[in-house]
Amino acid sequence: GIQVEQSPPDLILQEGANSTLRCNFSDSVNNLQWFHQNPWGQLINLFYIPSGTKQNGRLSATTVATERYSLLYISSSQTTDSGVYFCAVFAGNNRKLIWGLGTSLAVNP
Amino acid sequence: NAGVTQTPKFQVLKTGQSMTLQCAQDMNHEYMSWYRQDPGMGLRLIHYSVGAGITDQGEVPNGYNVSRSTTEDFPLRLLSAAPSQTSVYFCASRTDGNQPQHFGDGTRLSIL
Repeated sequence: GIQVEQSPPDLILQEGANSTLRCNFSDSVNNLQWFHQNPWGQLINLFYIPSGTKQNGRLSATTVATERYSLLYISSSQTTDSGVYFCAVFAGNNRKLIWGLGTSLAVNP
Repeated sequence: NAGVTQTPKFQVLKTGQSMTLQCAQDMNHEYMSWYRQDPGMGLRLIHYSVGAGITDQGEVPNGYNVSRSTTEDFPLRLLSAAPSQTSVYFCASRTDGNQPQHFGDGTRLSIL
């Protein structure tokens, strides 16, 4: 089945720094979603991005479906950005989400 | 809209007990899913449903049952709890296969 790999697995930033998180997938996908799991365990939708680029405040995402990867950019990071960032792709006629293992981000003040 | 509501938020069970985790959504979504999240393993799909009366198995269905009698509700049943089922359980829903998935806040379940 399709594999989803995220890198890096862990990331520590100083507040104000920028970062790029990567998601590679092993086969063609119809759709891709980025989530943030905050320290309280809640899963927050960030982007639904099958292709192209989207921006939401300090966050933006780019998916290049033909090359099978997606990038999540975090600019001017804040301590509230801490948590785990997951990438998930839709497979199997869009009935199932296949998840990466996440990037654990810690932003220090 | 309340979105996706899961109850309870926390539960402790003894081995062999049964329990139902509740999930309800008020967005008229057709697709609903149950995941479990364990440390270092990401989210794994337990069961899913593409509409009322239709359910199917995910990656880790053993030990769990589901039903979908209404569009709004998708309960997850543990018939005989085992310590290996200690996990955080998330319910999710979406309109159809081409729309983003929305999650409940999770249920933390411990089996002693």
